[in-house]
Amino acid sequence: QQQVKQSPQSLIVQKGGISIINCAYENTAFDYFPWYQQFPGKGPALLIAIRPDVSEKKEGRFTISFNKSAKQFSLHIMDSQPGDSATYFCAAPEPTRPTNDMRFGAGTRLTVKP
Amino acid sequence: NAGVTQTPKFQVLKTGQSMTLQCAQDMNHEYMSWYRQDPGMGLRLIHYSVGAGITDQGEVPNGYNVSRSTTEDFPLRLLSAAPSQTSVYFCASSYEGPLFSPLHFGNGTRLTVT
Repeated sequence: QQQVKQSPQSLIVQKGGISIINCAYENTAFDYFPWYQQFPGKGPALLIAIRPDVSEKKEGRFTISFNKSAKQFSLHIMDSQPGDSATYFCAAPEPTRPTNDMRFGAGTRLTVKP
Repeated sequence: NAGVTQTPKFQVLKTGQSMTLQCAQDMNHEYMSWYRQDPGMGLRLIHYSVGAGITDQGEVPNGYNVSRSTTEDFPLRLLSAAPSQTSVYFCASSYEGPLFSPLHFGNGTRLTVT
């Protein structure tokens, strides 16, 4: 079964700095890799997603970089803001089931200090 | 536009009691699912449904039952609560399933089993 390894577990960044969170997966037969953002007391919400026919996708201050050969993908948050303080989860498709299972990383708690 | 609504928000059960966590969505999504979130373990899929009358097991189904009689509702039943089921439970829906489109999460039910 798919193991998704996410690092670091926690991250403290100064306002204006760059936050980088990494994920590694084992195998997949599908091509949809999302990142979810979760604020305390709320459910996760999609932040950005990539299909690995491209190596990078940017949406505002958020960028996903994808390395298919290394089976790794990362989230970069440029000009980090206190409002970005949240827990971030990466996810990768589970290849051993026919459909409908994403395996999530353990999460990264990001704190952006003002 | 409510999205995904979960009730209750908090629940305390004694070992052996049963209960039903409610989930409703108003986005006309065929796919619905239940996850549990535990510290350091990300989100793990319990059960999912690809449409009314169709359900299947996820990664951690033991101790839980589901049914899907309508497109809108997907309740999760705990048959005989155990302390190991202490967790935060999230219901989610998706237009095409999580391998192809975003999951829309509710705000969770925090369950404590004593």
